[in-house]
Amino acid sequence: GDSVTQMEGPVTLSEEAFLTINCTYTATGYPSLFWYVQYPGEGLQLLLKATKADDKGSNKGFEATYRKETTSFHLEKGSVQVSDSAVYFCALTGLTGGGNKLTFGTGTQLKVEL
Amino acid sequence: EAGVAQSPRYKIIEKRQSVAFWCNPISGHATLYWYQQILGQGPKLLIQFQNNGVVDDSQLPKDRFSAERLKGVDSTLKIQPAKLEDSAVYLCASTSGAGGYNEQFFGPGTRLTVL
Repeated sequence: GDSVTQMEGPVTLSEEAFLTINCTYTATGYPSLFWYVQYPGEGLQLLLKATKADDKGSNKGFEATYRKETTSFHLEKGSVQVSDSAVYFCALTGLTGGGNKLTFGTGTQLKVEL
Repeated sequence: EAGVAQSPRYKIIEKRQSVAFWCNPISGHATLYWYQQILGQGPKLLIQFQNNGVVDDSQLPKDRFSAERLKGVDSTLKIQPAKLEDSAVYLCASTSGAGGYNEQFFGPGTRLTVL
């Protein structure tokens, strides 16, 4: 079945450091790929998405490129801020078992310090 | 626009007791999802409704979990009897359509602790 593997956390960075959170996936067909973010005490929010190979999703300075050849969707940000501290989830949708079912990775906690 | 509402936010029960969670999706959203998020894991889909019909309940432990969406709006998820391993955050999400991908909007979740 579909699965998502992302790097374990926590990831601790200093403010203005470069961020990469790795994500790889296994899926049949051509899934859409997503990054969700969960800030402390809040619900999951969509951060960015890409629906086909070579698409780049971007939002709030974060970027991720859908790489079909490496089945990857790594999240990057050039300069992180303390306010980016959150848990980040990589996810995909497949059409097995019903439309729009999201399959999530285990999440990566990011801590940004001054 | 109001978001997805869930209640209660927290619940503590003894094992073998029953518990119910409530979700009110964004107005007009036809599709509703319940996810279970165990600590340290990503959310896992339990059940998906399209209006008041079930689209996918393949991962719902039907011997103890049940869910309904009687009028195609609000939904309740029930656990009876609860087990220790049911301790998790239960997330409700909704979206406006079922064809292709439509962004899922998540509620704040209900944190269940089973003692």
